[in-house]
Amino acid sequence: AQSVSQHNHHVILSEAASLELGCNYSYGGTVNLFWYVQYPGQHLQLLLKYFSGDPLVKGIKGFEAEFIKSKFSFNLRKPSVQWSDTAEYFCAVIFYNQGGKLIFGQGTELSVKP
Amino acid sequence: DVKVTQSSRYLVKRTGEKVFLECVQDMDHENMFWYRQDPGLGLRLIYFSYDVKMKEKGDIPEGYSVSREKKERFSLILESASTNQTSMYLCASKLPLGSNTDTQYFGPGTRLTVL
Repeated sequence: AQSVSQHNHHVILSEAASLELGCNYSYGGTVNLFWYVQYPGQHLQLLLKYFSGDPLVKGIKGFEAEFIKSKFSFNLRKPSVQWSDTAEYFCAVIFYNQGGKLIFGQGTELSVKP
Repeated sequence: DVKVTQSSRYLVKRTGEKVFLECVQDMDHENMFWYRQDPGLGLRLIYFSYDVKMKEKGDIPEGYSVSREKKERFSLILESASTNQTSMYLCASKLPLGSNTDTQYFGPGTRLTVL
């Protein structure tokens, strides 16, 4: 079965530090890629997505992600985090050969110290 | 704005009870999904539905069933609740694969506790 892995379960940063969260997926042909965020007590929100075209995609709140096809990776980045970025981040992938199911990684909890 | 609503935010049930979790979306989406979210495990797909009266098992369907009688409504049923089904349950919907957007929209979640 296809799978999605997030390398870090819990990341702790100080404000203004740079962020990179890793995401890798198993080989599966054509994919659509997503990052979702869940702030404490809130529901999942879409941060950004990649379907095709420029592999560097920009999302909301200054986040971006780069799709590297050869590495099956879709890492999330932000140059300078804020305390309000404290949340859980989920990478998710639609594998076209899986009929449109969205498969999630385990999630990465980000804590930003003020 | 897409809206996915779930019938309850918090639910407490006893072992052995039959539990219904309801989800409604207002964007005429064909595809609907039920996930459970547990710490360290991310979101795991329980069941999904491509259209009315259609259902497919996800990764962890055991102990659950679903019903999709109308396009906008997708129900998750726990036939006989057990304590290991204590979890956060999330519903989602989206347009079919290959549409101009494959974005999945999520409801607020139902936190179910089985005593």
